[in-house]
Amino acid sequence: GAGVSQSPSNKVTEKGKDVELRCDPISGHTALYWYRQSLGQGLEFLIYFQGNSAPDKSGLPSDRFSAERTGGSVSTLTIQRTQQEDSAVYLCASRDQNTGELFFGEGSRLTVL
Amino acid sequence: AQSVTQLGSHVSVSEGALVLLRCNYSSSVPPYLFWYVQYPNQGLQLLLKYTSAATLVKGINGFEAEFKKSETSFHLTKPSAHMSDAAEYFCAVSSYRGSTLGRLYFGRGTQLTVWP
Repeated sequence: GAGVSQSPSNKVTEKGKDVELRCDPISGHTALYWYRQSLGQGLEFLIYFQGNSAPDKSGLPSDRFSAERTGGSVSTLTIQRTQQEDSAVYLCASRDQNTGELFFGEGSRLTVL
Repeated sequence: AQSVTQLGSHVSVSEGALVLLRCNYSSSVPPYLFWYVQYPNQGLQLLLKYTSAATLVKGINGFEAEFKKSETSFHLTKPSAHMSDAAEYFCAVSSYRGSTLGRLYFGRGTQLTVWP
C-alpha cells in the first residue's frame, strides 16, 4: 500500500482479555516502531525493529506486552490480560532509511472497559 | 544517550502572530532532528528535518527551524499563525549508528492553540 496501515482502527475490549494490533508498514522500510499515546500524554516509545537485528524492547511497560515482526514486514503488538490503563492510541510507524523520515499510521484506538 | 526537551506543553497565539515552539536536544553524536505535527484524530506527519546540511530548514505550511549547535536547540517558527496551524507538535532526535539511522526519540509534544 501507499502508507502505513494499522488495524483495527478501533477496539473495545473487556478487562482481562487479550488483544492483537496489526501494522503493515510501507514496503521496503526496514525499521518499524510502535508508540503509545494516551490522552494528554506525549508519545511513549514501546518497541523498535530494525532489519534482522534484535528488537529494542526497552519501552514495553510490562511483560503483558509483546510484539513480533514476521518476515521483516507486518508487525503484531499483543497485549495480554488487558487493564484499563492500557486504553490509548497505539501508533505504528515505518522509516525510510534513506531520508530518515518516519511515516505513521492512523493508529489503533484501544478502549479497555 | 539521546533526548529531546520541549519547553511548554501548551502555547497559545493570536492569528497572525509569530509562532515559536521550543526544542532542545541532547546527543553525544551529530544529531538528525525532526519536527512532526499531529492534527486532531490523525497520525503524525513530518513538518521538516535537519540532516547536517543547511542549519536553517524550511518545511511545509510556512514553518521553519534553525539548528543551533552551540545552544543544542532546534526551535520551530512560523512568522504568522493561521487557525489551521492548531495541532500538537513533536520534536524528535536520532543519529546514525554505523550505516543505520538509529531509534527516534520524541519530546512530550507542544499543543498549539490559535485564537481568532
